Amino acid sequence: EAQVTQNPRYLITVTGKKLTVTCSQNMNHEYMSWYRQDPGLGLRQIYYSMNVEVTDKGDVPEGYKVSRKEKRNFPLILESPSPNQTSLYFCASSSPRGRGTGGEQFFGPGTRLTVL
Amino acid sequence: QQQVKQSPQSLIVQKGGISIINCAYENTAFDYFPWYQQFPGKGPALLIAIRPDVSEKKEGRFTISFNKSAKQFSLHIMDSQPGDSATYFCAASMRGGSEKLVFGKGMKLTVNP
Repeated sequence: EAQVTQNPRYLITVTGKKLTVTCSQNMNHEYMSWYRQDPGLGLRQIYYSMNVEVTDKGDVPEGYKVSRKEKRNFPLILESPSPNQTSLYFCASSSPRGRGTGGEQFFGPGTRLTVL
Repeated sequence: QQQVKQSPQSLIVQKGGISIINCAYENTAFDYFPWYQQFPGKGPALLIAIRPDVSEKKEGRFTISFNKSAKQFSLHIMDSQPGDSATYFCAASMRGGSEKLVFGKGMKLTVNP
């Protein structure tokens, strides 16, 4: 089954304790992104990657890191989490437009993070 | 320039009614306008999308209307059903580079039985 998986689905942590949220896709997509979803603010892009070893900042990158060492994986790293990073996080993947998919982004199920 | 403005923020309709969600954009370089549907506890999923070379696209009960000159597009849900209750996001992107999707803030639709 074609899918994007994220782990963990739920996480409660404390300020300053480093954490990693994993993301993996099995569709051989070049593009991967991380978004955060907050009430009233919609989906905001944190970081994206156009391919292996190619990453760039989105709209709200402060406090986050990413890496893309393999095509299928795109982990999100919070080196020193703070309460304002409490949010619902989504990973997404897609192929470039023009390859028949039209750039549809496939989203994972989400990770609900609470930073105390 | 990069914003997509979505309205209303929430909508309650009766079963069988028409739900209408509106979006507006500024960047004329946008050339792909998808709508995503998100159920509670799930990630967003593509519902329907349109490109600016057409003014309307229909898939079942869902129709996108696109007005290029006004830089507006809207989603119409005909014969709304309780199962349509979800959050709807409009978005826009441009070809090339990151092909980043810029999302509206979302609209929570409730369809009462």
